[in-house]
Amino acid sequence: NAGVTQTPKFRILKIGQSMTLQCAQDMNHNYMYWYRQDPGMGLKLIYYSVGAGITDKGEVPNGYNVSRSTTEDFPLRLELAAPSQTSVYFCASSLASGEETQYFGPGTRLLVL
Amino acid sequence: AQTVTQSQPEMSVQEAETVTLSCTYDTSESDYYLFWYKQPPSRQMILVIRQEAYKQQNATENRFSVNFQKAAKSFSLKISDSQLGDAAMYFCAYRQEYGNKLVFGAGTILRVKS
Repeated sequence: NAGVTQTPKFRILKIGQSMTLQCAQDMNHNYMYWYRQDPGMGLKLIYYSVGAGITDKGEVPNGYNVSRSTTEDFPLRLELAAPSQTSVYFCASSLASGEETQYFGPGTRLLVL
Repeated sequence: AQTVTQSQPEMSVQEAETVTLSCTYDTSESDYYLFWYKQPPSRQMILVIRQEAYKQQNATENRFSVNFQKAAKSFSLKISDSQLGDAAMYFCAYRQEYGNKLVFGAGTILRVKS
């Protein structure tokens, strides 16, 4: 049981490039989330999903897209990368709503130059 | 919208001593959940403790305990017998009862001195 896994661990992008951050969980969790953490700040929600085929915007969705074709995977797409997207990105999952706790992946550090 | 405030950017504690990290939040909800997460230098987010707002009893997990004051909207974390491995960034977070979104504070860096 690997929990929540994220790839890559670190990536450097040039301005205007695109990339996909991968996230997978093997806990059969229905809910998945993407957060970003800027230096010295708490995490902010980008997008979340309550099940396969269902996604919704969080607090800071601009510049990102997501899809959820399977229960296990929740990739985050960056189109036309900008320096403001330099951050650490965390994926998380939880079984359902209610009392369920969110479990976090190890994070992806992204640098846009 | 709910907000979470951690007023201590940085705290220090001597090994084996006790330290308390502060957290206040703002909400109009009556039922919700509060969390403390630990983020060591590896950047992994680790759940430390969770408190349900409808429970009057303060949550405890080994050396970690909370002081939950619902009327004051305060949720502090007490770490007893501090260890070097406790050194990390600590985040307080809020979640609505039936919501899925965590709202985080800005974090408190905890340094442990040997």
